[in-house]
Amino acid sequence: GQSLEQPSEVTAVEGAIVQINCTYQTSGFYGLSWYQQHDGGAPTFLSYNALDGLEETGRFSSFLSRSDSYGYLLLQELQMKDSASYFCAVSNQAGTALIFGKGTTLSVSS
Amino acid sequence: EAQVTQNPRYLITVTGKKLTVTCSQNMNHEYMSWYRQDPGLGLRQIYYSMNVEVTDKGDVPEGYKVSRKEKRNFPLILESPSPNQTSLYFCASSTAGDYGYTFGSGTRLTVV
Repeated sequence: GQSLEQPSEVTAVEGAIVQINCTYQTSGFYGLSWYQQHDGGAPTFLSYNALDGLEETGRFSSFLSRSDSYGYLLLQELQMKDSASYFCAVSNQAGTALIFGKGTTLSVSS
Repeated sequence: EAQVTQNPRYLITVTGKKLTVTCSQNMNHEYMSWYRQDPGLGLRQIYYSMNVEVTDKGDVPEGYKVSRKEKRNFPLILESPSPNQTSLYFCASSTAGDYGYTFGSGTRLTVV
């Protein structure tokens, strides 16, 4: 079967650093993506890793280890507006079938 | 403005009454997908399309149909809606196929 595992909830305070892990088991693998979704809103694309290593985009970084079937999203200098759900997603079938994890709810407090 | 437009935003309907949720993108993207989102289950792919007249099933296609007659449009059709199709639906498009999807604002469907 295919599955993605990520923690259901994470809490942190403003200014802190938080890491959201994602492990996956899929029949094929083309890359790992991360999406952010605020309550009731549309998911928005954050980052993508096709190769091992770290990708940095401002306060957000994403890491992939293909050999470990593992990745993470790192959020630095947390702000209240970062409170949202974060989803990892794996593309497997010809790079089009996108499988999402169940999401991690991040709560940032002051 | 580059966007994916879904209509309607909210819909309440009765069991068995055929409905169509429209999706249109203005970015000339080849790839388009439909997802449903349910509490505790995350986003599950219903159907996807790699280009005009090319569609395939996702994880939860039962009870749904799609068509891709034009590049910009990818409607989702529920021929005979049932209460278990009550959900939040998202359409998304991408030029890359495996990442960088732009999502529509969602359609909240209730079937009674």
